[in-house]
Amino acid sequence: DAMVIQNPRYQVTQFGKPVTLSCSQTLNHNVMYWYQQKSSQAPKLLFHYYDKDFNNEADTPDNFQSRRPNTSFCFLDIRSPGLGDAAMYLCATSRGESEYFGAGTRLSVL
Amino acid sequence: QKEVEQDPGPLSVPEGAIVSLNCTYSNSAFQYFMWYRQYSRKGPELLMYTYSSGNKEDGRFTAQVDKSSKYISLFIRDSQPSDSATYLCAMKIGGYQKVTFGTGTKLQVIP
Repeated sequence: DAMVIQNPRYQVTQFGKPVTLSCSQTLNHNVMYWYQQKSSQAPKLLFHYYDKDFNNEADTPDNFQSRRPNTSFCFLDIRSPGLGDAAMYLCATSRGESEYFGAGTRLSVL
Repeated sequence: QKEVEQDPGPLSVPEGAIVSLNCTYSNSAFQYFMWYRQYSRKGPELLMYTYSSGNKEDGRFTAQVDKSSKYISLFIRDSQPSDSATYLCAMKIGGYQKVTFGTGTKLQVIP
């Protein structure tokens, strides 16, 4: 049974058209993360929530924002996607030990 | 120099072989070490999680940590074609600290 669920699995958007990716978890973990992963590269942390506290990585572009309305859900908003934002976006959760990942959303930008 | 170095491969082995995957790191503050398996176009799946130096075994997988040498390994015994994937090492300083990943080693097990 999937414990970290990402929707949609595949998302196609147009250059500059806002897009929202969603993540939900059934693990009741207090920490949720968003990563960007490009082909043959390691996942790159964008930001994370420790409960409701939001922590942004210094090199995360302003174009990326996130919302966590409750413990179970977290959203990644890309305000104006560029061609360079095409990637796999991974959501992960943790309670202070290892991180558990969702299957990812593959974003294409046309 | 990257904090975590991992040979990207690809590594091709025959079915049944013992596979050794390795990472070195430079930050002696790392205390938690993980190995993830990632199939193509899927999210990383946690395989092993260790805290201390030494060995940890789980089925066909053994994780080894040598903090004095700043070196971690994952051994896969009796490798299967279904083990073909990219293996990511990962580590962090503390429980809620940022995870630093290696770039991953692509493994192919040939029937």
